[in-house]
Amino acid sequence: AQSVAQPEDQVNVAEGNPLTVKCTYSVSGNPYLFWYVQYPNRGLQFLLKYITGDNLVKGSYGFEAEFNKSQTSFHLKKPSALVSDSALYFCAVRDMGSSGTYKYIFGTGTRLKVLA
Amino acid sequence: DTAVSQTPKYLVTQMGNDKSIKCEQNLGHDTMYWYKQDSKKFLKIMFSYNNKELIINETVPNRFSPKSPDKAHLNLHINSLELGDSAVYFCASSLSRTDTQYFGPGTRLTVL
Repeated sequence: AQSVAQPEDQVNVAEGNPLTVKCTYSVSGNPYLFWYVQYPNRGLQFLLKYITGDNLVKGSYGFEAEFNKSQTSFHLKKPSALVSDSALYFCAVRDMGSSGTYKYIFGTGTRLKVLA
Repeated sequence: DTAVSQTPKYLVTQMGNDKSIKCEQNLGHDTMYWYKQDSKKFLKIMFSYNNKELIINETVPNRFSPKSPDKAHLNLHINSLELGDSAVYFCASSLSRTDTQYFGPGTRLTVL
């Protein structure tokens, strides 16, 4: 079965510094990988995804993620963090369900706190 | 205009009651989902419908029954509510060929 891991419960970073939120995955075939962000009391919002092609994927709000097949990682990055980036970030992988259809497995989430 | 909407936003009820949560999307998507997010923020899929047909049914008690009257709606009915059902329930939708999911604002269910 496919899985996704976010090893850090929380990441603290100073405003203006680069940020990285880590994600590793385990798949049996080609991975479909996603990042979502959840602001307090809100639903999840799509940030970016990797399906195929360029290993560096650019997404919303200046975020990007690098797909690394050899390290089975898909870390989320931003060159300069903003206080407004503080939120809960979820990595997700597409999995094949038992009925032959796709389902999505989410990581446990990483809380990003950007300090002014 | 709201893309994926859920009602109600908050639901407080007693153990043993039956309640429903409604979800509607106006994005023209063909796939809809229900997720449960517990107090530790873990997010787990419960059900998925594609063109009104149930395609994913995770290990969820059969007290939970989804219903999709049309492609734009996916409702969740819960019988005999238990304390452990307290959580935030999120509806989501996607176009099956693109995979990107759009989430509703969530329904916070509290069972007393």
